[in-house]
Amino acid sequence: GENVEQHPSTLSVQEGDSAVIKCTYSDSASNYFPWYKQELGKRPQLIIDIRSNVGEKKDQRIAVTLNKTAKHFSLHITETQPEDSAVYFCAANTKGEKLTFGTGTRLTIIP
Amino acid sequence: GAVVSQHPSWVICKSGTSVKIECRSLDFQATTMFWYRQFPKQSLMLMATSNEGSKATYEQGVEKDKFLINHASLTLSTLTVTSAHPEDSSFYICSAGLAGTGTGELFFGEGSRLTVL
Repeated sequence: GENVEQHPSTLSVQEGDSAVIKCTYSDSASNYFPWYKQELGKRPQLIIDIRSNVGEKKDQRIAVTLNKTAKHFSLHITETQPEDSAVYFCAANTKGEKLTFGTGTRLTIIP
Repeated sequence: GAVVSQHPSWVICKSGTSVKIECRSLDFQATTMFWYRQFPKQSLMLMATSNEGSKATYEQGVEKDKFLINHASLTLSTLTVTSAHPEDSSFYICSAGLAGTGTGELFFGEGSRLTVL
């Protein structure tokens, strides 16, 4: 089955700086890679996703890049703000809609 | 966007009792729903795939007789934790995708926090 690894597990950055979180996956058949933001005690919220036919996608301060050959994808957050502090999960799909999640990254933005 | 609702949002029960959690897709039909479990400071672990009108598919290591899943309609899936024990205390989250679109995007319920005393 699919195996998704995520690094780092914790990340602290100064407000205004950029944050980068990286994930690797094992199943070459995976073709959908979403990123979720989860605040304490709440449901995961989709913040951006990318499909295997695209190498990069950007939405304001958030971008995701995908390298299918190397089987890795990354989340980039620029101009970080305190409200970006949360736990971020990457995921990869297997067999259609089934998602396998990474282990999560706790991002802390230091004011 | 599509809305998925879970109920209850939190529940406390005594050891040995059973607890039912409902997951509803409010504005779309979902032939497939997924149930996840999340322990504190850990990731979401897929427990099972709920299929409308047929048996659920359980992930390896998940006891199907302990976690009963019923998907009787296109908008409702239920998870029943039977004979709950303190180690079953966790955050249970369901999700569903838009059937037939093949987009892969999942919509999550609010989650249900179960505490077993």
